[in-house]
Parts: sequence; structure tokens; C-alpha cells
Amino acid sequence: DIVMTQSPLSLSVTPGEPASISCRSNQSLLRSNGYNYLDWYLQKPGQSPQLLIYLGSHRASGVPDRFSGSGSGTDFTLKISRVEAEDVGFYYCMQALQTPVTFGPGTKVDIK
Amino acid sequence: EMQLVESGGGLVQPGRSLRLSCTASGFPFEDYAMHWVRQIPGAGLEWVSGISWNSVRMDYAASVRGRFTISRDNANNSLYLQMNNLRIEDTALYYCAKDMSGGFAAAENWGQGILVMVSS
Repeated sequence: DIVMTQSPLSLSVTPGEPASISCRSNQSLLRSNGYNYLDWYLQKPGQSPQLLIYLGSHRASGVPDRFSGSGSGTDFTLKISRVEAEDVGFYYCMQALQTPVTFGPGTKVDIK
Repeated sequence: EMQLVESGGGLVQPGRSLRLSCTASGFPFEDYAMHWVRQIPGAGLEWVSGISWNSVRMDYAASVRGRFTISRDNANNSLYLQMNNLRIEDTALYYCAKDMSGGFAAAENWGQGILVMVSS
């Protein structure tokens, strides 16, 4: 199975400041079609997870442009250019390159 | 409006069975892969199973393989998870999720989840 790790596991951010979360896999997530099968999700308190970024760097529909994803192979980053109060919650990366699909442990983001 | 509604959860004794259902609406169900993802309250997300648009590809987490069976009925816009020989550690909130493709790429939309509690 592909193992996903995230860092940090907890992050406290001042509103308006940037934030960054790292996700790493123990195998490359790059498929021969050129896409990295790595997604980012946000689970806000009391809500279902929502897709933020798919295939490494593509913003999902309705996601604010302050969210961006980058990386390739085994190292990926989710960046929030200016954190807002509504961004609090748990952020998860997930690989869909091969089954079983696996998630990272999650990063808790809160506001200072 | 796209909707995924789970049903069939509840309290069950260890060793018994439950069948979860997910009713989809607002999109062409037959075109998309579907997933079941679970979450123990206060813990992270665990992928349980996925099925391609045409049911050709199905797979399971090791923790449920041989006990759970995923299926879909494209004519009735429904996804199912037959859970047999349930264990206490299967207690979780189970989410139905729609992939963004016919295969496995990203869980684009999620239901509200249904609670399964396994206890004697």
C-alpha cells in the first residue's frame, strides 16, 4: 500500500497570513498520462470532507483561488495564500494512483 | 442539485450484517466511479471501497476485504455496501462519495454520512 504522510500535523495561523502543508508518499504518484494522482481535501468542523485540489494542482469547482496545489512524484504542497477564518479544519491529502486509496493522517489548521 | 444520501446504518451486534445504500441524484450516476470512505469519530479518513462506473473495477481496504462487498445499480442511481461479519472496529461514520471520473481520481462530492455502530 502507498503510505501518505503530512507535515505539520497541526498549524495555527494568523488571518491574512499564508499557510503551507506538505504531503509525501512512499511511491511516486505520477502516472504515465502525466498526472499526479494526489488530491487535497478540507473537512470543516461538523461537515463532510470537500475536495479542494485534484490531480496535484487543479483547483476544484468553487474553491477560492487562495488555495493552490503543487508538487510531483512523491512531494506535494498545499498553499493557502491568505488564511481566512473559514479555512479552519482538517486538511487531508489522498492518493488515487492505486488501490487501496490511502489518505494522509490529516493536518489540523486553526486560527491564532 | 447534486445529492448523495446514505441510509441503512444503525446499531448492530458483532458478527451481524448491515447493508448501506447511497441514493444519488442531480448527475449522470452511470458515468462516475463511486467510493465508500469511513471515519471513526475524532479520527482521520479511511477509504473502504471503490467501484468504477461500469462495475468492472472494484477494490477494498485490507481491513474489510472478504467481509464487505460494494455494488451499484446504475438504473436506480444507487450504490451499496454489504457489510458482513461486522467487528467493533467497523464502528464509524460511513460516507458515500462520487469520483470525478469513471475510474479512481478524486472524491469530488460527498454525502453527509451514516453512522454504523457495532456493539454487543
